[in-house]
Amino acid sequence: QVTLKESGPVLVKPTETLTLTCTVSGFSLSNPYMGVSWIRQPPGKALEWLAHISSTDEDSYSPSLKSRVTISKDTSKSQVVLTMTNMDPVDTATYFCARMNLTKGREGTAAFFDYWGQGSWVTVSS
Amino acid sequence: IQLTQSPSSLSASVGDRVTITCRASQGIRNSLVWYQQKPGKAPKLLIFAASTLQGGVPSRFSGSGSGTDFTLTISSLQPEDFATYYCQQLNSYPLTFGGGTKVEIK
Repeated sequence: QVTLKESGPVLVKPTETLTLTCTVSGFSLSNPYMGVSWIRQPPGKALEWLAHISSTDEDSYSPSLKSRVTISKDTSKSQVVLTMTNMDPVDTATYFCARMNLTKGREGTAAFFDYWGQGSWVTVSS
Repeated sequence: IQLTQSPSSLSASVGDRVTITCRASQGIRNSLVWYQQKPGKAPKLLIFAASTLQGGVPSRFSGSGSGTDFTLTISSLQPEDFATYYCQQLNSYPLTFGGGTKVEIK
């Protein structure tokens, strides 16, 4: 049974650093067909992809947040960590982690997010 | 790569056929995914590779398209289908989502 669960602070102050942890079960972070991304959703707004880390520790970032965001993982602990520096009230959102699945099909490799965490609500306020 | 969904919202009745479109700013082959999201919940995968139905998803959902233009169709809208739908491209980084389409009850 695959699960992902986000954990971290509910409230952070402006200029502080946010650290969120995604603890996964039911699959290994070293599986070459799996990766984990962080996605956020401000209240009433659309989904926004933030960062991704592959099984081989290759990372990718949203260009608009690249200077502030770092993604890392600890395979032995089955955890993926997102840090975001210099938090601002506009960063108030629900933060999700999600598993990327890479599947070989007729037309090549297909990628999709098949399992998501429940989400972690983060408010940025003084 | 920007994804433009239309419409941003629609009102429909149970039994209606509903079509949502997603246009990419450049070609993404078939690397497009559709999700359904209900309030307070995480998105749920419906379709990947533009037209492949995820296991357990009702067959009234279908997807089509390739390149820049994609469509999600619900053949006969059911009460549990009232939700917000998002497209996402996974052709290249940075990954992007469309702005969402909210399907409301008429």
